[in-house]
Amino acid sequence: EVQLVETGGGLIQPGGSLRLSCAASGFTVSGNYMSWVRQAPGKGLEWVSVFYSGESTFYADSVKGRFTVSRDNSKNTLYLQMNSLRVEDTAVYYCARDGGAWAFDIWGQGTMVTVSS
Amino acid sequence: EIVLTQSPGTLSLSPGERATLSCRASQRVSSSYLAWYQQKPGQAPRLLIYGASSRATGIPDRFSGSGSGTDFILTISRLEPEDFAVYYCQQYGSSRFTFGPGTKVDIK
Repeated sequence: EVQLVETGGGLIQPGGSLRLSCAASGFTVSGNYMSWVRQAPGKGLEWVSVFYSGESTFYADSVKGRFTVSRDNSKNTLYLQMNSLRVEDTAVYYCARDGGAWAFDIWGQGTMVTVSS
Repeated sequence: EIVLTQSPGTLSLSPGERATLSCRASQRVSSSYLAWYQQKPGQAPRLLIYGASSRATGIPDRFSGSGSGTDFILTISRLEPEDFAVYYCQQYGSSRFTFGPGTKVDIK
């Protein structure tokens, strides 16, 4: 079965760090463009970052310099390292696969990150 | 950065009616790079349309997409009870993705 499972969310204080994981099954993360998308409570979707199969990465301006996306091909897992967290980073974080048409055809169930003192 | 605007913000309709949702871009978007999603409360988004007009796998044919340039439309020909949800458009450009703010389709 093709699926994505995110883990690693939780409650963290402002200024803290957290690493999210996204385990893929049924396909390889190395063979696909993979993104992180977040959704603040009651708000819309915000794209966060992308890891292209050629190892290049891009970020939304709101997280650039604070978040880093990486992957472990041996574990078939995508990661999002989040540093210097802010209250406004509070959101459900989804990982998603680009199905080859610059659109996200597979989504995980999401993991909640709450940044609060 | 390309900004997407969706209208209306909320669309109140009855089952069986036709829904027309608009997505407007601040700059020209390649039709290949425009997608639509449906999201229900507590669920991840689901891809409906990619390439402006191609239905994703398993999407009923009552959903259709059209448009080009800066103006794109998602049409639901006859609303079913399960179609009441929030709909987002999304574009890709300059190695980045952006989403519109969403249109909520609720029951009148």
